[in-house]
Amino acid sequence: DGGITQSPKYLFRKEGQNVTLSCEQNLNHDAMYWYRQDPGQGLRLIYYSQIVNDFQKGDIAEGYSVSREKKESFPLTVTSAQKNPTAFYLCASSIKVMNTEAFFGQGTRLTVV
Amino acid sequence: SQQGEEDPQALSIQEGENATMNCSYKTSINNLQWYRQNSGRGLVHLILIRSNEREKHSGRLRVTLDTSKKSSSLLITASRAADTASYFCATASPGSARQLTFGSGTQLTVLP
Repeated sequence: DGGITQSPKYLFRKEGQNVTLSCEQNLNHDAMYWYRQDPGQGLRLIYYSQIVNDFQKGDIAEGYSVSREKKESFPLTVTSAQKNPTAFYLCASSIKVMNTEAFFGQGTRLTVV
Repeated sequence: SQQGEEDPQALSIQEGENATMNCSYKTSINNLQWYRQNSGRGLVHLILIRSNEREKHSGRLRVTLDTSKKSSSLLITASRAADTASYFCATASPGSARQLTFGSGTQLTVLP
């Protein structure tokens, strides 16, 4: 089945630790995105990548880092510099840039303990 | 920044009734999209309407777009309990090729 897979579904982090969220797609999409969603809120863009080996900051990139070494994969690292990391993280992909339909993963809920 | 703003924030209706949600945005757009999100899950694309279109249908969904008022509406007809979810509008703007900008959503509850 074609789709976009995020793992893990739930993640707990101690303060001061870095954690990496996985996002893999087999849709052959060029563009991939990371969004953050806080309770009762819309989605805010963290980072996006339009092509392999290239990525750009979104609206709330501070405290996060990404890589795009393979077309299929776009992992997000939440660093200790992110002061309020508890949130629901959503990865998405689209054929090209965001003028077409976006496909979302099922999300990772990150909690700082 | 969030461009689309949905109204109402929450809507509760009986099964079989129609549900209407509205979205307003601030800048010119290439297209506007509606997504659905079940609690704790990812978003699912429902429908895309381009800036030169005024109305679009997909099954029980009807979307309208008024670019002069910078607004869109999503109508779900003959609602079902399974339609209970959050609904988001998202805009894609010219020159802003990087992203969809999402609103804060409407929480729809359909009572059986």
